[in-house]
Amino acid sequence: GAVVSQHPSWVICKSGTSVKIECRSLDFQATTMFWYRQFPKQSLMLMATSNEGSKATYEQGVEKDKFLINHASLTLSTLTVTSAHPEDSSFYICSVVGNRDIEFFGPGTRLTVL
Amino acid sequence: QKEVEQDPGPLSVPEGAIVSLNCTYSNSAFQYFMWYRQYSRKGPELLMYTYSSGNKEDGRFTAQVDKSSKYISLFIRDSQPSDSATYLCASNKAAGNKLTFGGGTRVLVKP
Repeated sequence: GAVVSQHPSWVICKSGTSVKIECRSLDFQATTMFWYRQFPKQSLMLMATSNEGSKATYEQGVEKDKFLINHASLTLSTLTVTSAHPEDSSFYICSVVGNRDIEFFGPGTRLTVL
Repeated sequence: QKEVEQDPGPLSVPEGAIVSLNCTYSNSAFQYFMWYRQYSRKGPELLMYTYSSGNKEDGRFTAQVDKSSKYISLFIRDSQPSDSATYLCASNKAAGNKLTFGGGTRVLVKP
């Protein structure tokens, strides 16, 4: 499989500030990572596909200038929420396409924007 | 209509009972089928992974896929309170492609 970590696990920020979330593949070199957000009692919503060394592919309706994704290495992808607002408060989860092309998820990052 | 449909529950069962979960899907191009378990405020954890139609068993878990009826099932035998979680089915067209998730079924196993 693949072991995935996220940092931080919980972040609280003021409205208008930017927040960076890290996703690391600890035991697998991942060409492809995904970023999701999840609101309470809802399923996962794919935000973007992150490919190492190239620009991320965003899902329809996701603002690429607001949610900046950088996949600079085979073990690290970052999601930066720029100028965060209370409506951006959510649970952000990354995943890694690991062995046998199976998707493995990180533990998630809870973002609260005041 | 969503591509993958799943009853949201909650599904409440007594400890030791069999938990029966299912999903239906509409896209006949789906080839790979997964079940994930998600505890509150945690990331999803892979339980079962199957390709095309058939059954797969792993410990207390059995996954079934019937492509002719576009029906996916997960059975949990000898359920435990620790099985209380949300179960998500997911499918994709090719290995490594983005997944399409069902809405998740919340399961409560009462001691």
